[in-house]
Amino acid sequence: EVQLVESGGGLVQPGGSLTLSCSASEINVSNNYMSWVRQAPGKGLEWVSTLYSGGSTYYSESVKGRFTISRHTSKNTVFLQMESLRPEDTAVYFCARALDEVRGVYFDYWGQGSLVTVSS
Amino acid sequence: DIQMTQSPSTLSASVGDRVTITCRASHSISRWLAWYQQKPGKAPKLLICDASSLESGVPSRFSGSESGTDFTLTISSLQPDDFATYYCQQYKDYPLTFGGGTKVEIK
Repeated sequence: EVQLVESGGGLVQPGGSLTLSCSASEINVSNNYMSWVRQAPGKGLEWVSTLYSGGSTYYSESVKGRFTISRHTSKNTVFLQMESLRPEDTAVYFCARALDEVRGVYFDYWGQGSLVTVSS
Repeated sequence: DIQMTQSPSTLSASVGDRVTITCRASHSISRWLAWYQQKPGKAPKLLICDASSLESGVPSRFSGSESGTDFTLTISSLQPDDFATYYCQQYKDYPLTFGGGTKVEIK
């Protein structure tokens, strides 16, 4: 059974940094299109970033230049490094898997989410 | 950016009702559209991809259709387990965008 498990969330002050991890089982993060999607409290879903198997990365305008998506192949883990955090970045961050670009970047597996709260 | 306008934002219905949720894309997205179901405190669950392809294991009472830039999710006979929030997502182009969501409530 495919499992994606996020960790690393917590409370951080505005301007601070935090790194989320997404540990995968039964899939290889290097062969899939791994993404982060967030959901602010009481709000809808917002795509954040996607990492292609070939290494290409995509970011939403709201996080470009502040967030970095990466992976560690041997640990089978995807990361989201978040810097210069703002109160509006407060959200549950979901890790999600898409198969490939040919079939399209929609998400068939999701983690349970990790809450990031940006507040002083 | 491709905007996804979803309606209604809230829908009150009874068990057994036929329910229709609509998503309109601001630009042509062909059939590059997915539908998700989300329950409180849980991750979204993929229901439909490519506008009308039912994901494995999803009950057949769920169906999707497309007409130009208008997309519809239909639940033919609402069941107690279906009370949730539903989102559409376009994957024609970056940035990937979601509709604002439709909360299906018990009437």
